[in-house]
Amino acid sequence: QKEVEQNSGPLSVPEGAIASLNCTYSDRGSQSFFWYRQYSGKSPELIMSIYSNGDKEDGRFTAQLNKASQYVSLLIRDSQPSDSATYLCAVRDTGNQFYFGTGTSLTVIP
Amino acid sequence: EAGVAQSPRYKIIEKRQSVAFWCNPISGHATLYWYQQILGQGPKLLIQFQNNGVVDDSQLPKDRFSAERLKGVDSTLKIQPAKLEDSAVYLCASSSHYEQYFGPGTRLTVT
Repeated sequence: QKEVEQNSGPLSVPEGAIASLNCTYSDRGSQSFFWYRQYSGKSPELIMSIYSNGDKEDGRFTAQLNKASQYVSLLIRDSQPSDSATYLCAVRDTGNQFYFGTGTSLTVIP
Repeated sequence: EAGVAQSPRYKIIEKRQSVAFWCNPISGHATLYWYQQILGQGPKLLIQFQNNGVVDDSQLPKDRFSAERLKGVDSTLKIQPAKLEDSAVYLCASSSHYEQYFGPGTRLTVT
């Protein structure tokens, strides 16, 4: 069974701070990694994808991947109240199947 | 580019009734997924199609759930008969080679 684990939170950060979200996965053969944002009552929205070790930056978001440690993280800089949501980590296997964590709830306090 | 379309958005039925959900994936996306998401949990894969063939349906409760993808485009997911524990959001998603995109989902309430 391929597993993806996240701290469920809730994680609270003040506005303007850096939010750090973490994820570990069990399948060492996984090649593609994703972060989705899910607002309450809405469907998951893809915000970041990362395929190779290191950092990938997109605006205020930075995804970090360490395949040796089977670890993926998402940093949100200058957090805004609109970033308050549940963040889902997902891993894609070689069969194009995606495995999701249970999500981390983030609250940004104004 | 149009996103993944789903209908209906909401459905309330009584237990033992039947219900069907429809999904139209992003144009050109060969892979289509149906997920069930229960509040507080991540999406759980029910079935994965590659074009009009089933890749994985190991977690689909086949005694009550069925799905088809005719002509490799649209897909329908059916539940018959529904149970109380089927109350959830049913998400359709599609992918090309790398990234997966979700539709708005159907919120099902079984009373």
